Amino acid sequence: DGGITQSPKYLFRKEGQNVTLSCEQNLNHDAMYWYRQDPGQGLRLIYYSQIVNDFQKGDIAEGYSVSREKKESFPLTVTSAQKNPTAFYLCASSTTGGRGNTEAFFGQGTRLTVV
Amino acid sequence: DAKTTQPNSMESNEEEPVHLPCNHSTISGTDYIHWYRQLPSQGPEYVIHGLTSNVNNRMASLAIAEDRKSSTLILHRATLRDAAVYYCIPRPPTGNQFYFGTGTSLTVIP
Repeated sequence: DGGITQSPKYLFRKEGQNVTLSCEQNLNHDAMYWYRQDPGQGLRLIYYSQIVNDFQKGDIAEGYSVSREKKESFPLTVTSAQKNPTAFYLCASSTTGGRGNTEAFFGQGTRLTVV
Repeated sequence: DAKTTQPNSMESNEEEPVHLPCNHSTISGTDYIHWYRQLPSQGPEYVIHGLTSNVNNRMASLAIAEDRKSSTLILHRATLRDAAVYYCIPRPPTGNQFYFGTGTSLTVIP
């Protein structure tokens, strides 16, 4: 079935360690996104990519890095520079073009806890 | 990007219709209006979107005001599975970002 897969569902790391969250899609979408969600809050955009080998910072990119070497994959690294990394991380994808007339598909999220 | 205003929370009785409002008074004429919902501990899922005309699908209906400054998501018969946070998102024709506000938390009462 087509969809977007995030792994793992739960992740625990020690403070000061970098950690990489996986996001894979088989929907043939050009655009992919990473969001962060804190308890009781909406989603905030970290990074997005509209095409392979290109990505842009969102509103809260500090302390995060991404790569887009393949169309299907958009991994997010939470670095030790991120001051408050414990959160729920969501990956999404969509087609480009369509002039706003296309929807986004979301993964089930990765809950990262840094201790 | 257009800003949105939604009630923080709403309640509905099971099997009753629910009208979820969204104010987007700064929307541009070419922004589509998207609605998503998020169940607890899950990723958001697409509900419906439209530009000017009212839209219907198997999940819901979307009523867009004539001046496009507001819209209403209509769930015709609320079920317990509809309890979620509902987000209204104006989506411009250029750029591909989806900007989420804090949404409306819908509680469905059995």
